[in-house]
Amino acid sequence: GENVEQHPSTLSVQEGDSAVIKCTYSDSASNYFPWYKQELGKGPQLIIDIRSNVGEKKDQRIAVTLNKTAKHFSLHITETQPEDSAVYFCAASIESGAGSYQLTFGKGTKLSVIP
Amino acid sequence: KAGVTQTPRYLIKTRGQQVTLSCSPISGHRSVSWYQQTPGQGLQFLFEYFSETQRNKGNFPGRFSGRQFSNSRSEMNVSTLELGDSALYLCASAPSDTGELFFGEGSRLTVL
Repeated sequence: GENVEQHPSTLSVQEGDSAVIKCTYSDSASNYFPWYKQELGKGPQLIIDIRSNVGEKKDQRIAVTLNKTAKHFSLHITETQPEDSAVYFCAASIESGAGSYQLTFGKGTKLSVIP
Repeated sequence: KAGVTQTPRYLIKTRGQQVTLSCSPISGHRSVSWYQQTPGQGLQFLFEYFSETQRNKGNFPGRFSGRQFSNSRSEMNVSTLELGDSALYLCASAPSDTGELFFGEGSRLTVL
Protein backbone atom coordinates (compact mmCIF):
# COMPACT_ATOMS: atom_id res chain seq x y z
CA GLY A 1 0.00 0.00 0.00
CA GLU A 2 0.88 3.68 -0.07
CA ASN A 3 3.42 5.06 2.42
CA VAL A 4 3.86 8.78 3.10
CA GLU A 5 6.89 10.18 4.91
CA GLN A 6 6.76 13.74 6.27
CA HIS A 7 9.61 15.95 7.48
CA PRO A 8 10.36 17.67 9.75
CA SER A 9 8.23 16.51 12.68
CA THR A 10 8.64 19.88 14.41
CA LEU A 11 9.47 23.28 12.96
CA SER A 12 9.96 26.62 14.69
CA VAL A 13 10.19 29.84 12.69
CA GLN A 14 10.20 33.54 13.49
CA GLU A 15 7.11 35.49 12.56
CA GLY A 16 7.46 36.74 9.00
CA ASP A 17 9.85 33.99 7.92
CA SER A 18 8.94 31.16 5.55
CA ALA A 19 8.21 27.55 6.51
CA VAL A 20 8.68 24.51 4.29
CA ILE A 21 7.34 21.01 4.98
CA LYS A 22 8.29 18.10 2.74
CA CYS A 23 6.61 14.78 2.01
CA THR A 24 7.48 11.75 -0.08
CA TYR A 25 5.14 9.03 -1.26
CA SER A 26 5.74 5.51 -2.47
CA ASP A 27 2.95 4.66 -4.92
CA SER A 28 3.44 6.25 -8.32
CA ALA A 29 -0.29 5.76 -9.01
CA SER A 30 -1.20 8.37 -6.36
CA ASN A 31 -2.79 11.34 -8.07
CA TYR A 32 -4.21 13.59 -5.35
CA PHE A 33 -2.15 15.35 -2.66
CA PRO A 34 -3.96 17.45 -0.04
CA TRP A 35 -2.54 19.33 2.93
CA TYR A 36 -4.43 19.68 6.18
CA LYS A 37 -4.00 21.99 9.17
CA GLN A 38 -5.10 20.76 12.57
CA GLU A 39 -5.45 23.12 15.51
CA LEU A 40 -5.66 21.90 19.08
CA GLY A 41 -8.99 20.24 19.81
CA LYS A 42 -10.21 20.48 16.25
CA GLY A 43 -10.42 18.23 13.24
CA PRO A 44 -8.05 18.64 10.28
CA GLN A 45 -8.94 21.40 7.83
CA LEU A 46 -8.03 21.27 4.15
CA ILE A 47 -5.80 24.23 3.30
CA ILE A 48 -4.60 23.41 -0.21
CA ASP A 49 -4.40 20.44 -2.55
CA ILE A 50 -2.74 19.52 -5.83
CA ARG A 51 -3.43 16.90 -8.44
CA SER A 52 -0.85 14.96 -10.41
CA ASN A 53 -1.41 16.90 -13.64
CA VAL A 54 -0.20 20.13 -11.98
CA GLY A 55 3.31 20.98 -10.76
CA GLU A 56 2.55 23.94 -8.52
CA LYS A 57 -0.43 25.64 -6.93
CA LYS A 58 -0.60 28.83 -4.91
CA ASP A 59 -3.22 30.37 -2.65
CA GLN A 60 -2.17 33.68 -1.09
CA ARG A 61 0.66 32.86 1.39
CA ILE A 62 0.45 29.10 0.83
CA ALA A 63 1.90 27.14 -2.08
CA VAL A 64 2.37 23.48 -2.85
CA THR A 65 4.78 21.93 -5.33
CA LEU A 66 4.72 18.40 -6.74
CA ASN A 67 7.55 16.44 -8.33
CA LYS A 68 6.02 13.26 -9.74
CA THR A 69 9.34 11.86 -10.93
CA ALA A 70 10.89 12.08 -7.48
CA LYS A 71 7.58 11.31 -5.78
CA HIS A 72 7.71 14.22 -3.40
CA PHE A 73 5.62 17.27 -2.68
CA SER A 74 6.12 20.27 -0.43
CA LEU A 75 4.13 22.92 1.40
CA HIS A 76 5.47 26.45 1.50
CA ILE A 77 4.08 29.09 3.85
CA THR A 78 5.43 32.61 3.40
CA GLU A 79 5.22 35.56 5.80
CA THR A 80 4.26 33.28 8.67
CA GLN A 81 1.96 34.58 11.38
CA PRO A 82 1.31 33.28 14.93
CA GLU A 83 -2.07 31.93 13.78
CA ASP A 84 -0.22 29.60 11.41
CA SER A 85 0.95 27.63 14.48
CA ALA A 86 -0.67 24.19 14.23
CA VAL A 87 0.03 20.62 13.13
CA TYR A 88 0.19 20.19 9.36
CA PHE A 89 -0.46 16.87 7.62
CA CYS A 90 0.28 15.90 4.06
CA ALA A 91 -1.59 13.07 2.40
CA ALA A 92 -1.57 11.07 -0.81
CA SER A 93 -4.43 9.30 -2.46
CA ILE A 94 -5.34 7.22 -5.45
CA GLU A 95 -8.81 7.54 -6.83
CA SER A 96 -9.82 3.89 -6.52
CA GLY A 97 -12.64 4.01 -9.02
CA ALA A 98 -16.12 5.53 -8.91
CA GLY A 99 -14.75 8.63 -7.24
CA SER A 100 -13.56 6.92 -4.07
CA TYR A 101 -10.44 8.32 -2.38
CA GLN A 102 -8.52 6.69 0.47
CA LEU A 103 -6.06 9.14 2.00
CA THR A 104 -2.75 7.99 3.45
CA PHE A 105 -1.43 10.65 5.81
CA GLY A 106 2.06 11.64 6.88
CA LYS A 107 2.78 11.72 10.61
CA GLY A 108 2.44 15.48 10.82
CA THR A 109 4.61 18.56 11.40
CA LYS A 110 4.09 20.74 14.45
CA LEU A 111 4.74 24.29 13.29
CA SER A 112 5.41 26.98 15.89
CA VAL A 113 5.58 30.60 14.77
CA ILE A 114 7.43 32.72 17.32
CA PRO A 115 6.20 36.34 17.57
CA LYS B 1 -23.74 25.82 6.08
CA ALA B 2 -23.31 23.61 9.14
CA GLY B 3 -20.14 21.57 9.32
CA VAL B 4 -19.66 17.88 10.05
CA THR B 5 -21.15 17.02 13.43
CA GLN B 6 -19.88 14.15 15.52
CA THR B 7 -21.41 12.81 18.71
CA PRO B 8 -20.50 12.17 21.40
CA ARG B 9 -17.41 14.37 21.64
CA TYR B 10 -15.92 12.49 24.57
CA LEU B 11 -16.59 9.09 26.03
CA ILE B 12 -14.99 6.63 28.40
CA LYS B 13 -15.48 2.88 28.14
CA THR B 14 -13.93 -0.18 29.72
CA ARG B 15 -12.28 -3.11 27.98
CA GLY B 16 -14.72 -5.55 26.44
CA GLN B 17 -17.51 -3.02 25.99
CA GLN B 18 -18.74 -1.77 22.66
CA VAL B 19 -19.24 1.77 21.41
CA THR B 20 -21.21 3.51 18.68
CA LEU B 21 -20.15 6.87 17.28
CA SER B 22 -22.34 9.06 15.13
CA CYS B 23 -21.60 11.45 12.28
CA SER B 24 -23.83 13.92 10.45
CA PRO B 25 -22.20 15.09 7.21
CA ILE B 26 -22.47 18.50 5.61
CA SER B 27 -25.79 18.83 3.84
CA GLY B 28 -25.55 17.51 0.30
CA HIS B 29 -22.42 15.44 0.92
CA ARG B 30 -23.02 11.78 0.12
CA SER B 31 -19.59 10.36 0.99
CA VAL B 32 -18.61 9.78 4.61
CA SER B 33 -15.21 8.50 5.71
CA TRP B 34 -13.90 7.54 9.13
CA TYR B 35 -10.33 7.91 10.37
CA GLN B 36 -8.62 6.93 13.61
CA GLN B 37 -6.04 9.34 15.01
CA THR B 38 -3.50 8.27 17.65
CA PRO B 39 -0.17 9.82 18.70
CA GLY B 40 1.73 6.73 17.61
CA GLN B 41 0.07 5.77 14.33
CA GLY B 42 -1.22 9.17 13.23
CA LEU B 43 -4.29 9.34 11.00
CA GLN B 44 -5.40 5.97 9.65
CA PHE B 45 -8.25 5.27 7.26
CA LEU B 46 -11.03 3.05 8.59
CA PHE B 47 -13.70 3.01 5.88
CA GLU B 48 -15.72 5.09 3.46
CA TYR B 49 -19.43 4.99 2.70
CA PHE B 50 -21.29 6.37 -0.28
CA SER B 51 -25.03 6.03 -0.82
CA GLU B 52 -25.33 3.54 2.06
CA THR B 53 -22.63 1.25 0.60
CA GLN B 54 -19.15 0.68 1.95
CA ARG B 55 -16.93 1.74 -0.92
CA ASN B 56 -13.51 1.35 0.68
CA LYS B 57 -12.05 -0.24 3.79
CA GLY B 58 -8.74 0.17 5.63
CA ASN B 59 -6.68 -2.42 7.49
CA PHE B 60 -8.59 -2.67 10.73
CA PRO B 61 -9.97 -5.82 12.38
CA GLY B 62 -13.60 -6.82 11.98
CA ARG B 63 -14.39 -5.36 15.42
CA PHE B 64 -14.59 -2.02 13.60
CA SER B 65 -17.72 -1.65 11.51
CA GLY B 66 -19.85 1.11 10.14
CA ARG B 67 -22.95 1.94 8.24
CA GLN B 68 -24.58 4.81 6.43
CA PHE B 69 -28.24 5.71 6.40
CA SER B 70 -30.37 7.01 3.55
CA ASN B 71 -29.94 10.60 4.82
CA SER B 72 -26.12 10.14 4.57
CA ARG B 73 -25.66 10.12 8.34
CA SER B 74 -23.18 7.49 9.42
CA GLU B 75 -22.33 5.47 12.49
CA MET B 76 -19.30 3.44 13.36
CA ASN B 77 -19.19 0.70 15.95
CA VAL B 78 -16.29 -0.85 17.79
CA SER B 79 -17.00 -4.09 19.62
CA THR B 80 -14.98 -5.82 22.35
CA LEU B 81 -12.97 -2.68 23.08
CA GLU B 82 -9.24 -2.93 23.74
CA LEU B 83 -6.95 -0.42 25.43
CA GLY B 84 -5.35 0.27 22.06
CA ASP B 85 -8.66 1.51 20.67
CA SER B 86 -8.26 4.71 22.68
CA ALA B 87 -8.07 7.39 20.02
CA LEU B 88 -9.70 10.35 18.36
CA TYR B 89 -12.18 9.07 15.78
CA LEU B 90 -12.70 11.53 12.97
CA CYS B 91 -15.51 11.57 10.48
CA ALA B 92 -15.17 13.42 7.18
CA SER B 93 -17.70 14.11 4.46
CA ALA B 94 -17.01 14.90 0.83
CA PRO B 95 -18.99 16.58 -1.92
CA SER B 96 -19.19 14.57 -5.15
CA ASP B 97 -16.00 12.80 -6.14
CA THR B 98 -13.26 15.40 -5.73
CA GLY B 99 -11.44 13.81 -2.80
CA GLU B 100 -11.79 16.96 -0.71
CA LEU B 101 -12.58 15.89 2.83
CA PHE B 102 -14.28 18.08 5.41
CA PHE B 103 -13.57 16.76 8.91
CA GLY B 104 -15.61 16.99 12.06
CA GLU B 105 -14.00 17.71 15.42
CA GLY B 106 -13.93 14.05 16.35
CA SER B 107 -15.06 11.74 19.11
CA ARG B 108 -12.39 11.11 21.71
CA LEU B 109 -12.66 7.57 23.04
CA THR B 110 -10.80 6.48 26.15
CA VAL B 111 -10.75 2.77 26.97
CA LEU B 112 -9.88 1.88 30.56
